[in-house]
Amino acid sequence: GDSVTQMEGPVTLSEEAFLTINCTYTATGYPSLFWYVQYPGEGLQLLLKATKADDKGSNKGFEATYRKETTSFHLEKGSVQVSDSAVYFCALSVAQGAQKLVFGQGTRLTINP
Amino acid sequence: EPEVTQTPSHQVTQMGQEVILRCVPISNHLYFYWYRQILGQKVEFLVSFYNNEISEKSEIFDDQFSVERPDGSNFTLKIRSTKLEDSAMYFCASSGQTTDTQYFGPGTRLTVL
Repeated sequence: GDSVTQMEGPVTLSEEAFLTINCTYTATGYPSLFWYVQYPGEGLQLLLKATKADDKGSNKGFEATYRKETTSFHLEKGSVQVSDSAVYFCALSVAQGAQKLVFGQGTRLTINP
Repeated sequence: EPEVTQTPSHQVTQMGQEVILRCVPISNHLYFYWYRQILGQKVEFLVSFYNNEISEKSEIFDDQFSVERPDGSNFTLKIRSTKLEDSAMYFCASSGQTTDTQYFGPGTRLTVL
């Protein structure tokens, strides 16, 4: 079945460090790929998405490129801030119509000043 | 900006009791979803709903669960006889005509004692 695997957390970085959170997927069709973020005490917010191979999603300084050849969608940011501390979820959807999201296990990111 | 809302934010119930979790999706959206997140685990798909019927449901969504759109705005998840293992955060989501982007509510934390 369809699945998403994220790098193990938690991840702790200093402010202004470079961030990479790895995400790989397995899907039977041609998925759309997403990164969602969950700030403490809040729900899931869409961070960025890409719907086809080689698309790059970007938002708030975060980027991820849909790599079909490596079935990956790694999240990157060049310079993280304390306010980026959150749990990040990689997800995919495949089906037409009412598409369910399949999530990775989440990566908790803590940024220290 | 329109958002998905959920009530209550926290529900405590006794094992065997019925609970109803309520959601108000974004007003012009057509597709509705419930997900759950057991503490420390992945976000899991429960059910999708379109045109007043279930589109897809997961193995988790057994006969104890039901969903309803009782009027033009609310979308509810009912658990008929709660079990300890139903304790989780329940998220409602909705999407519009282009179904690849789902917008999530802040969640209801259900605690079954």
